[in-house]
Amino acid sequence: GAVVSQHPSWVICKSGTSVKIECRSLDFQATTMFWYRQFPKQSLMLMATSNEGSKATYEQGVEKDKFLINHASLTLSTLTVTSAHPEDSSFYICSAEAGRANVLTFGAGSRLTVL
Amino acid sequence: TQLLEQSPQFLSIQEGENLTVYCNSSSVFSSLQWYRQEPGEGPVLLVTVVTGGEVKKLKRLTFQFGDARKDSSLHITAAQPGDTGLYLCASDSGGYQKVTFGTGTKLQVIP
Repeated sequence: GAVVSQHPSWVICKSGTSVKIECRSLDFQATTMFWYRQFPKQSLMLMATSNEGSKATYEQGVEKDKFLINHASLTLSTLTVTSAHPEDSSFYICSAEAGRANVLTFGAGSRLTVL
Repeated sequence: TQLLEQSPQFLSIQEGENLTVYCNSSSVFSSLQWYRQEPGEGPVLLVTVVTGGEVKKLKRLTFQFGDARKDSSLHITAAQPGDTGLYLCASDSGGYQKVTFGTGTKLQVIP
């Protein structure tokens, strides 16, 4: 079946540094990927839609200069949290559609902890 | 954007008990999915329902889509500890591929 891989699975960084999270579709191509954020004991909140070869579309309230998204190829999207602060600590999950319409495959998530 | 409210928010039951989780919206769904998420993992798709009144079964899990396509339920029979997790309903919000998740139901099944 379709597999979406995220890396790293967890990362700890100091406040003020930037962190890059990768999302790869391993056995299919994805022109569109989605980035979600999930706080403890809460649901997933869509942050942005990553579009291959063009700018990402951000949801209302998500700072595009804070969360930089690059989708340079059909199998890779990256999310960079710039100048991270403790409030950015969260579980970040990506997804992509593989095959069936409106059925998403999710990555295993990346847990970010900002000290 | 559709708001998907799930109830209950938390549920802790003994192994062998039955339970039902609800997902409601004020808007009509074009389709609805149910996912289960375990700690530290991404959500895994359980089922997609499309037709009003549709009932789908997946072993001990029964999914029902309301006739008006505004609500859905997930019923688990004889819950097992392996059913523990966060259950999420989700809809495509009318937009291509763009999935919006419900508020979630955290289930704990105690052996």
